[in-house]
Amino acid sequence: KAGVTQTPRYLIKTRGQQVTLSCSPISGHRSVSWYQQTPGQGLQFLFEYFSETQRNKGNFPGRFSGRQFSNSRSEMNVSTLELGDSALYLCASSPTGDRVVETQYFGPGTRLLVL
Amino acid sequence: GQQVMQIPQYQHVQEGEDFTTYCNSSTTLSNIQWYKQRPGGHPVFLIQLVKSGEVKKQKRLTFQFGEAKKNSSLHITATQTTDVGTYFCAHGSGNTGKLIFGQGTTLQVKP
Repeated sequence: KAGVTQTPRYLIKTRGQQVTLSCSPISGHRSVSWYQQTPGQGLQFLFEYFSETQRNKGNFPGRFSGRQFSNSRSEMNVSTLELGDSALYLCASSPTGDRVVETQYFGPGTRLLVL
Repeated sequence: GQQVMQIPQYQHVQEGEDFTTYCNSSTTLSNIQWYKQRPGGHPVFLIQLVKSGEVKKQKRLTFQFGEAKKNSSLHITATQTTDVGTYFCAHGSGNTGKLIFGQGTTLQVKP
């Protein structure tokens, strides 16, 4: 099976712009989670989608949003970019999202730089 | 939410020395997972522990889950340069897809 894929891999934006990142989960996986990784804050959970519904959301402002399509592909959007949004954005997938019994597989990430 | 504290933040060892990273929580955890992230890479799942006092081994890596399910450790015997990276512990909250990560321990191995 192909792994989790994320596009684009690298992105440079300026403050105030918006950005959309894409994630294709492993075939058959219906749960997609998004994480932000920065040197200062580490790995932080953004949100999780399952069957096109957001089931859980982390502690991020409303500028961060996402969605999931019927084929389980997911996108996340960040509006009105700030310098602090510069980070590695990671997507992870698993069959149902059950963290007790399932392994979560991470994609390579999208590295976003906001200037 | 349940936070997990991970120590140390950094560890430099000579190749062949042992290495241990610790993960601690003030509350009981339902499970603990360990991930490794190589420089420039993404987190890769290593193992999951769910039972009190559980010990699992993967070659030179030994993972433990405390009796009270509030702490965990990863021990690497006789480190190699291929062990370089950041090791994260994380725990999941049920079926919501959320993983809470520790801050990670970055391991440097001098050849």
